[in-house]
Amino acid sequence: EIVLTQSPGTLSLFPGEGATLSCRASESVTSSYVAWYQHKPGQAPRLLIYGAFSRPTGIPDRFSGSGSGTDFTLTISRLEPEDFAVYYCQQYGSSPLTFGGGTKVEIK
Amino acid sequence: QVHLVQSGAEVKKPGSSVRVSCKAPGGTFNTYGISWVRQAPGQRLEWMGGIMPLYRTTHYSPKFQGRVTITADDSTTTAYLELSGLRSEDTAVYYCARSFLGAFLGKLSLGWFDPWGQGTLVTVSS
Repeated sequence: EIVLTQSPGTLSLFPGEGATLSCRASESVTSSYVAWYQHKPGQAPRLLIYGAFSRPTGIPDRFSGSGSGTDFTLTISRLEPEDFAVYYCQQYGSSPLTFGGGTKVEIK
Repeated sequence: QVHLVQSGAEVKKPGSSVRVSCKAPGGTFNTYGISWVRQAPGQRLEWMGGIMPLYRTTHYSPKFQGRVTITADDSTTTAYLELSGLRSEDTAVYYCARSFLGAFLGKLSLGWFDPWGQGTLVTVSS
């Protein structure tokens, strides 16, 4: 199975700063079939990005995805207070579908 | 806005089985699949498997094959997860999620998840 490794484990940032989250796959992900989710305690995860860079309706444009092959990135251009959460990447180009270990974005 | 509504928390004995339900809006099963994902305390999200009701097809993670059964009732647009042989390591929050379908594996398969249910806590304890 494809193992996804996210880094860093924790990002400590001030509101208004930018955040760059990395997701590295143990082998190439077919056609960049990678999604990103935001997860807050006690809530359901929320889809932010699919197909490596496509944003669903309703997701603010401060969230952007990029990458291909084995390296993918989620960028948050300017952190809003509601953006502090855990972020997971997921691949769906190979079975079983797998998730990364998460990056926690916390307020500094 | 689409909502998936899951059944309530469960407490189970080791060795027993649990069944969790996920009610989806009407019409969901005509276009989408339903996947089940769990998160044990301090662990990453883990895909268990999913179903494509329109095609009567299920896919399971090898880790859970033989212990998990995913079904769907078209008449009530409700999906079910049944996990047998429960052990303490199965204590987790279990989520259902609508899964977009596409030729992601070179054949019709489950893709990304949106939206997710509210989660169901399953506690396995003697």
